[in-house]
Amino acid sequence: GQNIDQPTEMTATEGAIVQINCTYQTSGFNGLFWYQQHAGEAPTFLSYNVLDGLEEKGRFSSFLSRSKGYSYLLLKELQMKDSASYLCAVMDSNYQLIWGAGTKLIIKP
Amino acid sequence: IAGITQAPTSQILAAGRRMTLRCTQDMRHNAMYWYRQDLGLGLRLIHYSNTAGTTGKGEVPDGYSVSRANTDDFPLTLASAVPSQTSVYFCASSDSPERGYGYTFGSGTRLTVV
Repeated sequence: GQNIDQPTEMTATEGAIVQINCTYQTSGFNGLFWYQQHAGEAPTFLSYNVLDGLEEKGRFSSFLSRSKGYSYLLLKELQMKDSASYLCAVMDSNYQLIWGAGTKLIIKP
Repeated sequence: IAGITQAPTSQILAAGRRMTLRCTQDMRHNAMYWYRQDLGLGLRLIHYSNTAGTTGKGEVPDGYSVSRANTDDFPLTLASAVPSQTSVYFCASSDSPERGYGYTFGSGTRLTVV
């Protein structure tokens, strides 16, 4: 079966760094996505990795290791507005996204 | 319209009633999707359409139907609503998912079946 695992909830302090991990087992792999979803809102695209390595975009970075079925999202200089759920999704062999349940990130002052 | 528009925003529906959730996009994206999102379960694909005139079943299609008469519109119909269909429904679209373009989501429809 297909499975994507990520922690249910994490807590971090404003100004700090947090790493959200995602492990996956899917039928085929055509890339891994990270989305941000604020409470009561739609998910919004953050990053896309298809090759191994680190992709940096401002305060956010995403890493992928295809051999390990592993990715992480790194958030630096945390701000209160970063409080949200972060969704990991893998594009399978049919180019459809398989979604993790999401990690709720709580930022404390 | 800019992006994807879903209607209604929220709805309380009596069990057994028929309901159509509307989704319209103005980005000329080929692919469109319907998801439901339930607490602790993540987004689950109901139906999808890779291009106008074609549709396919996702992970949880039972009790739902879709049509794709043109590029812009992708309505989702619940033929006879049941309480287990209480959920938040998101419509999404993508230009070229095989090239790594992400999905654009509508703002969602919160449906309660009583």
